[in-house]
Amino acid sequence: DVLMTQTPVSLPVSLGGQVSISCRSSQSLVHSDGNTYLHWYLQKPGQSPQLLIYRVSNRFSGVPDRFSGSGSGTDFTLKISRVEPEDLGVYYCLQSTHFPPTFGAGTKLELK
Amino acid sequence: EVQLVESGGGLVQPGRSMKLSCAASGFTFSNYGMAWVRQAPKKGLEWVAYISYDGGSTYYRDPVKGRFTISRDNAKSTLYLQMDSLRSEDTATYYCTTTITTPFDYWGQGVMVTVSS
Repeated sequence: DVLMTQTPVSLPVSLGGQVSISCRSSQSLVHSDGNTYLHWYLQKPGQSPQLLIYRVSNRFSGVPDRFSGSGSGTDFTLKISRVEPEDLGVYYCLQSTHFPPTFGAGTKLELK
Repeated sequence: EVQLVESGGGLVQPGRSMKLSCAASGFTFSNYGMAWVRQAPKKGLEWVAYISYDGGSTYYRDPVKGRFTISRDNAKSTLYLQMDSLRSEDTATYYCTTTITTPFDYWGQGVMVTVSS
């Protein structure tokens, strides 16, 4: 299985600040069709996960432009600017290029 | 608005069976693949099973292969997960998810399954 490594595990932030979360895969996530199937999710406390970014850099419906994704190959980043209280929770990356789909272990975004 | 409502969870003894259901609405259910994703208590997310839009193709993670069966009833817009020979390590919240734009784009509220004697 493809191993997805997220760093950091915990990320203290001040409201209004900017943060980056890293996700690295154990092998390239470039599919034979040319697409890269790397996605980002947020699980707010007590809630189900929600999709934020799909295929590296595409914001899902209703996701504010404070969230942006980038990267290629095996190295990916989620950036959150102007952090708001509703952004707190655990962020997960997911790869669906290779079978089976695998998630990172999560990065907890919390207030300083 | 896409809505996914899971049901059927609870406490079950090891070795017994349980069937989860997921009632879908707000989209054309029969056009899209569906999946189950689980989350053990205080742990991360783990894909469990996937079924194609017509039920013709199914895929499972290795530890559940041969014990779990994913199925769907497109006439009822309902997804199922039949879980047999349950083990303590299957204890988790199980989420029903869609694959409309991308894998796992919409999620249900989850249903808790506890395997314990």
